[in-house]
Amino acid sequence: GAVVSQHPSRVICKSGTSVKIECRSLDFQATTMFWYRQFPKQSLMLMATSNEGSKATYEQGVEKDKFLINHASLTLSTLTVTSAHPEDSSFYICSAVLAGGVLQLEQFFGPGTRLTVL
Amino acid sequence: ELKVEQNPLFLSMQEGKNYTIYCNYSTTSDRLYWYRQDPGKSLESLFVLLSNGAVKQEGRLMASLDTKARLSTLHITAAVHDLSATYFCAVSESGTYKYIFGTGTRLKVLA
Repeated sequence: GAVVSQHPSRVICKSGTSVKIECRSLDFQATTMFWYRQFPKQSLMLMATSNEGSKATYEQGVEKDKFLINHASLTLSTLTVTSAHPEDSSFYICSAVLAGGVLQLEQFFGPGTRLTVL
Repeated sequence: ELKVEQNPLFLSMQEGKNYTIYCNYSTTSDRLYWYRQDPGKSLESLFVLLSNGAVKQEGRLMASLDTKARLSTLHITAAVHDLSATYFCAVSESGTYKYIFGTGTRLKVLA
């Protein structure tokens, strides 16, 4: 149980284009999802918190107009990188928290999406 | 502001040896998580530590939590090559679902 998927797993795009990454909780409902970015040999940095039916909360320094997050249902959140540039190339990982889960408040992580911007 | 530090950042050890990775955090929290990450992969959950004094073991790995000292340890016993990976601790901010990740420890076990 508690499986999270991401699509696509890898994407290569040209500079200036937009890329959408999907994060789905496959066997549970998630009121809250998180988006992280990880550069090579670095830790995970939280980009934003995505709550179903409301606007995402972005961490300091993350451009909300560049990284558009939509959490339209209890099983799907999307991250759109708009006007991507080579410096946006990174490993993007989402996670989801089980709705109604209290005891452990544990995040379940997706497999990640490798974005390369040429 | 919650900050999480791990040490060492890099660890190269011989097979069969024991070693400990440390995770210190700066403010009160009662939930701490350990993850493993292989190159090019996402996170694999290792341990969830929810209370002071919690100790969990799985195979050659054992994790503990001391909330008073704001310290968690991940102890490796008789390391084998398959344990080579990057290990992260993550601390949950009190009252939220948010995690703050440690810097990570890159472990290389030499045959």
